[in-house]
Amino acid sequence: QQQVKQSPQSLIVQKGGISIINCAYENTAFDYFPWYQQFPGKGPALLIAIRPDVSEKKEGRFTISFNKSAKQFSLHIMDSQPGDSATYFCAATTSGTYKYIFGTGTRLKVLA
Amino acid sequence: EAQVTQNPRYLITVTGKKLTVTCSQNMNHEYMSWYRQDPGLGLRQIYYSMNVEVTDKGDVPEGYKVSRKEKRNFPLILESPSPNQTSLYFCASSEGRGIQYFGAGTRLSVL
Repeated sequence: QQQVKQSPQSLIVQKGGISIINCAYENTAFDYFPWYQQFPGKGPALLIAIRPDVSEKKEGRFTISFNKSAKQFSLHIMDSQPGDSATYFCAATTSGTYKYIFGTGTRLKVLA
Repeated sequence: EAQVTQNPRYLITVTGKKLTVTCSQNMNHEYMSWYRQDPGLGLRQIYYSMNVEVTDKGDVPEGYKVSRKEKRNFPLILESPSPNQTSLYFCASSEGRGIQYFGAGTRLSVL
């Protein structure tokens, strides 16, 4: 019940295309869902985050879509660029705790 | 510059030899955490701390110890390392549930 399932494991997209990464959770107590971006040799960095009271959040080319009833959320990268090539992690946590559950990661490669 | 600093960056050790990985942040954050990253398993939380002298277990605490005697430091201690603790370790800090800042990582090999 504590898991966050992330798919796909890897993704190859052409430059200018849309990258979509999906996550699903079971624990309905989760109320904060961040996405992290990690480049090789670096620590993860927060990309964008959403709370379940909104269905979508957009920051530049990055959008989170949230479906509370389906217990799913996804990251969309519009106009994908080679510089977006990285590993992406979704995560979830609950108010009042600082216990984070991460997905297993998606390795994205954007072809020039 | 806001930083989370981990040391060492790379460490090779042998089974049973106690080691400590240090973590320090310069942002006066209350919350700090340790994660391990393994291929196919993503990031898994080991321990976290909400403030000085307040720590709690994450998902994979077995074989690890932590302490939080000062706000800026959160060392990770492996009292008797085993090969299954070979991994990439990250320390992170944040102000409440704001942005978590991660260190650059410590790659540990236990032979």
